[in-house]
Amino acid sequence: AQRVTQPEKLLSVFKGAPVELKCNYSYSGSPELFWYVQYSRQRLQLLLRHISRESIKGFTADLNKGETSFHLKKPFAQEEDSAMYYCAINTGGFKTIFGAGTRLFVKA
Amino acid sequence: GAVVSQHPSRVICKSGTSVKIECRSLDFQATTMFWYRQFPKQSLMLMATSNEGSKATYEQGVEKDKFLINHASLTLSTLTVTSAHPEDSSFYICSAKTSGGRTDTQYFGPGTRLTVL
Repeated sequence: AQRVTQPEKLLSVFKGAPVELKCNYSYSGSPELFWYVQYSRQRLQLLLRHISRESIKGFTADLNKGETSFHLKKPFAQEEDSAMYYCAINTGGFKTIFGAGTRLFVKA
Repeated sequence: GAVVSQHPSRVICKSGTSVKIECRSLDFQATTMFWYRQFPKQSLMLMATSNEGSKATYEQGVEKDKFLINHASLTLSTLTVTSAHPEDSSFYICSAKTSGGRTDTQYFGPGTRLTVL
């Protein structure tokens, strides 16, 4: 079965420091991977997806099929990046499977 | 961007009563809608997937007679929690996709907080 693992429940970094939110998935084929973000008191929203190969708000994520990973990175964290981040996978069906989420806290 | 609304945003009800939550796609047609449940400080748990005009597909462990889902139109899906009990208290979130394509973005509603007394 498809599964998404986010090993860190909480990640705390200082402003300006690099940040990496880890995501590993289990699927033998070619999945579609996403990162969703939920800021305080806001709804869940799409941050980026691997097929777009884009950088959103300074964040990037590269799909590594060998390691089955899709880690989210940003070279210099900002306080406004503090939020809950969810990695998600879609393997061709209707539904998307979400990881447990990582809460990022950027300290001033 | 596409907007999904939910109504009500919060509801308090007595044990044994039924509660209906509406999910609407405001500016697009949602062929597929999803209902999630989120417990405090936990991830989203997919409850069911519904396609317009057909019966919802429930995830394992979710009682279909307890959580009634109706997706009668391309812009509206409803979740009815029947005979609610305190353990049904939770944050319910719906989302919608424009089609079944796996690259399509899911747009999320703001959620509904249900408290059962």
